[in-house]
Amino acid sequence: GNSVTQMEGPVTLSEEAFLTINCTYTATGYPSLFWYVQYPGEGLQLLLKATKADDKGSNKGFEATYRKETTSFHLEKGSVQVSDSAVYFCALSPNDYKLSFGAGTTVTVRA
Amino acid sequence: EPEVTQTPSHQVTQMGQEVILRCVPISNHLYFYWYRQILGQKVEFLVSFYNNEISEKSEIFDDQFSVERPDGSNFTLKIRSTKLEDSAMYFCASTQTGLSSTDTQYFGPGTRLTVL
Repeated sequence: GNSVTQMEGPVTLSEEAFLTINCTYTATGYPSLFWYVQYPGEGLQLLLKATKADDKGSNKGFEATYRKETTSFHLEKGSVQVSDSAVYFCALSPNDYKLSFGAGTTVTVRA
Repeated sequence: EPEVTQTPSHQVTQMGQEVILRCVPISNHLYFYWYRQILGQKVEFLVSFYNNEISEKSEIFDDQFSVERPDGSNFTLKIRSTKLEDSAMYFCASTQTGLSSTDTQYFGPGTRLTVL
């Protein structure tokens, strides 16, 4: 079946620190991969996505590369801000419209 | 920017009662979804809906659950007789076409359902 495993949190960082959240997946075929973010009190927002192997998704300084050989889609940001404090969800969709999510990683950035 | 809205933000109910969770998808979207997240667990797919019928449903979506698009704007999830284990955050989502997984799903802020 399809599943996503992501790094457990919570993660606490200082401003301007480097952030990595690991995500690995199991899927049949070639799924599309996504990172969603949930800011406090808000819904899930698409942060970035990649639809095929070696694609790099990027947005708001965040990046993730679709690595088929390691079945991974790790999220990185070089210099986090307080406003990046949120819950981050890795997800996949194996071309059947619905998303399979990881458990979410809570990130807190301190000033 | 258009957004998906959900009401109420928090619903408290007694076990055995019926609840209806409401969602207003983005206006030109055609595919609608419900997901739920039990506290501390993953976000799980419940059901997808297109052209006034269910496209796909998960094992969680049993006979106690139903969905409806009663008018041109609302999309509802009904739980007929709530159980304690239905306590969760319920997310509504919509996509414009749903024809491929590359289409972006837009999510609402969620309704937190607490069953006592």
